[in-house]
Amino acid sequence: AQRVTQPEKLLSVFKGAPVELKCNYSYSGSPELFWYVQYSRQRLQLLLRHISRESIKGFTADLNKGETSFHLKKPFAQEEDSAMYYCALVAGNAGNMLTFGGGTRLMVKP
Amino acid sequence: ETGVTQSPTHLIKTRGQQVTLRCSSQSGHNTVSWYQQALGQGPQFIFQYYREEENGRGNFPPRFSGLQFPNYSSELNVNALELDDSALYLCASSLAPGTSGYEQYFGPGTRLTVT
Repeated sequence: AQRVTQPEKLLSVFKGAPVELKCNYSYSGSPELFWYVQYSRQRLQLLLRHISRESIKGFTADLNKGETSFHLKKPFAQEEDSAMYYCALVAGNAGNMLTFGGGTRLMVKP
Repeated sequence: ETGVTQSPTHLIKTRGQQVTLRCSSQSGHNTVSWYQQALGQGPQFIFQYYREEENGRGNFPPRFSGLQFPNYSSELNVNALELDDSALYLCASSLAPGTSGYEQYFGPGTRLTVT
């Protein structure tokens, strides 16, 4: 069975500092990886997906199959980036059923 | 375009009771997934419905059941409630399953407390 691990429950950085939210996964096949974000008083929403290889709100994430990781990075954090971030995986034969990690709360201090 | 809605927002039940949670999918979406999110944890997949049929199920006992209606809205039913069922229940809608590129759109959730 697949599993997603986010080792940090809380990550606190100052505005303008680089950010890296860690995500590791275990799955024997070829997964598809996603980052979802939940801002205060808002619903969970998709931030980015690895197949798109896109940058959203300055965030990027690269799938490293050798290290089974999908870390989320941003070179310069902004206060509005403060939120809960969830890494999620879809197994190759599981349609769009998501397996989530436990989440990391990012706090960007002024 | 109407987003995903869920009802009720909150409810409190007693152990052993039964509960029904409701979800209306986003306009144009025919697939609904349900997730349970315990406090301090990530969402956990319960099951998914596509065209009124269960299309996949996570590691939840049979007392968790669901329905999807012709208008693609959905219900989650939980029988014989246990204290550990206390959680936020999230509904997400999307286009057809089998293509994971299709984004899932989440509702605001229903907070269930079992006493």
